[in-house]
Amino acid sequence: AQSVTQPDIHITVSEGASLELRCNYSYGATPYLFWYVQSPGQGLQLLLKYFSGDTLVQGIKGFEAEFKRSQSSFNLRKPSVHWSDAAEYFCAVGGYNNDMRFGAGTRLTVKP
Amino acid sequence: EAGVAQSPRYKIIEKRQSVAFWCNPISGHATLYWYQQILGQGPKLLIQFQNNGVVDDSQLPKDRFSAERLKGVDSTLKIQPAKLEDSAVYLCASSLDWGLDSTDTQYFGPGTRLTVL
Repeated sequence: AQSVTQPDIHITVSEGASLELRCNYSYGATPYLFWYVQSPGQGLQLLLKYFSGDTLVQGIKGFEAEFKRSQSSFNLRKPSVHWSDAAEYFCAVGGYNNDMRFGAGTRLTVKP
Repeated sequence: EAGVAQSPRYKIIEKRQSVAFWCNPISGHATLYWYQQILGQGPKLLIQFQNNGVVDDSQLPKDRFSAERLKGVDSTLKIQPAKLEDSAVYLCASSLDWGLDSTDTQYFGPGTRLTVL
């Protein structure tokens, strides 16, 4: 069965600093991988997704993620964090029938 | 383009009462999903419809939860009777078609926050 692990429950970074959020997955076949962001009181918004091809994926709001099959990882990165990036971030893995499984999330706090 | 609409946004009920949530997906989206998100956890898929047929309801507690999408558009999710552990945000999402390709991004509504006392 597919599953996602986000090892960091809560991360704090200073505004302007770089960010990396970790995601490890378990899936029996080629995974489809996603990162979503959830701001307080808001629905989930897709940041980026990986289906195939280039393992470095660019998303919205300056985010990128790299798929590493050998490490079963799909870490999210941003070179310079803005205060508006404070939110909850979810990694998800899906299969051919769109049955996504989400990780528990990482809460990002941005210090001024 | 209008997003996924959900109502109500908040609901407080006593345990053993019944409650229903409504979802209107993005126009033209064939696939609709209901997720349960308990505080501090990621969303968990409850049920997936393609048009008005159920694709996956393996994680739906069928003794108390039911869902329908009669005309292949709007959907309702019902809990009867509610338990304390049902307190969560219920998210609805839709996607254009079934199967993962570049068009199958799931778009989420704002959710309904349910509190069971």
